[in-house]
Amino acid sequence: DTGVSQDPRHKITKRGQNVTFRCDPISEHNRLYWYRQTLGQGPEFLTYFQNEAQLEKSRLLSDRFSAERPKGSFSTLEIQRTEQGDSAMYLCASSLASSSYEQYFGPGTRLTVT
Amino acid sequence: AQTVTQSQPEMSVQEAETVTLSCTYDTSENNYYLFWYKQPPSRQMILVIRQEAYKQQNATENRFSVNFQKAAKSFSLKISDSQLGDTAMYFCAINNAGNMLTFGGGTRLMVKP
Repeated sequence: DTGVSQDPRHKITKRGQNVTFRCDPISEHNRLYWYRQTLGQGPEFLTYFQNEAQLEKSRLLSDRFSAERPKGSFSTLEIQRTEQGDSAMYLCASSLASSSYEQYFGPGTRLTVT
Repeated sequence: AQTVTQSQPEMSVQEAETVTLSCTYDTSENNYYLFWYKQPPSRQMILVIRQEAYKQQNATENRFSVNFQKAAKSFSLKISDSQLGDTAMYFCAINNAGNMLTFGGGTRLMVKP
């Protein structure tokens, strides 16, 4: 059984460019979560899906951010017109809805906006 | 809304000794789960230990144990017989709706040889 995987692991982009990250959850997990972690801080919740439905979004998720999970399996997180303040680690986690309190994290995608 | 506070930004301990990391939280819910996660340098976050709020007995996982004080909203982590591999950021977190985790700011633990 493989864990949560994320791609890419690192992304460097110039301000104003669009970036897209991918997360593949543990295969039988129907819930998928996105968090953002800035340097030296704890992760902050962005959004989560149950199957393909996006059930909750944080106020941190500005209009430039969009997340999808079209077939209820992998998910993508897109950031449009990146800003330097978007530089952070983007973490994905997954869980079963029946035990959603226990989330398993991927290795994260580190985004650097120059 | 819930909040989690970790008042110790950094701690250090000698190898083989015991260290306790502090965490306080606030929630209006009666049913919730508390967690300690470990994040080693440049590695992914892993679950160390969890505690269900309805359970009075403190959780234990090998060298890791918690002191859960529900009335005081306190949830500390004790690491016994510290090992060099315990060097990491430790995050306390709460989940009370089965949805998002709310994390504290973390404690950086350094185990010294």
